[in-house]
Amino acid sequence: DGGITQSPKYLFRKEGQNVTLSCEQNLNHDAMYWYRQDPGQGLRLIYYSQIVNDFQKGDIAEGYSVSREKKESFPLTVTSAQKNPTAFYLCASGTFRETQYFGPGTRLLVL
Amino acid sequence: AQSVTQPDIHITVSEGASLELRCNYSYGATPYLFWYVQSPGQGLQLLLKYFSGDTLVQGIKGFEAEFKRSQSSFNLRKPSVHWSDAAEYFCAVGAGNTGNQFYFGTGTSLTVIP
Repeated sequence: DGGITQSPKYLFRKEGQNVTLSCEQNLNHDAMYWYRQDPGQGLRLIYYSQIVNDFQKGDIAEGYSVSREKKESFPLTVTSAQKNPTAFYLCASGTFRETQYFGPGTRLLVL
Repeated sequence: AQSVTQPDIHITVSEGASLELRCNYSYGATPYLFWYVQSPGQGLQLLLKYFSGDTLVQGIKGFEAEFKRSQSSFNLRKPSVHWSDAAEYFCAVGAGNTGNQFYFGTGTSLTVIP
């Protein structure tokens, strides 16, 4: 089955803790993306990567970090510097100038 | 700068009625345009896309959209709405020259009344 998987579905973060959200795709797409979704604000781009070992900041990168060591994987770390991390996080993948396909999302909550 | 505006935050329609969701974009070159649908707690599913050619594009679930360059619009339509169409709808523009970065509207929430 081709697609994008995100895990976990729900994630709880304690104060001062770093947490990592997983995103894997088997669609052979070069580009991968992380978005944050808050009610009434649509989707905002956190980071994107067009090729392995390269990534660029999006509009709201502060407090987040990523890596792209493999084509299939693009994990997102929410660091303790992100003071308002509660949101729905969506991962997507695509090829240059083509459609983006989305994973099912991870909901991050703060304890 | 690229941007997408969905002027209707929330729309309510009766089942069987027609639907039109509005989308306006701001982009200097020929845009790549998309409509996505999102059910609560789920990811986004692609409904349809416009890259070039015929300005009326057909999508899944009976949806269609029309690209009007003169109005910078890409409105989504459906002739007869079903209760299962209740969801959040997002319009997006792909800024291809900047590496396939997408810009999303803030979404329109659709409620369907039986």
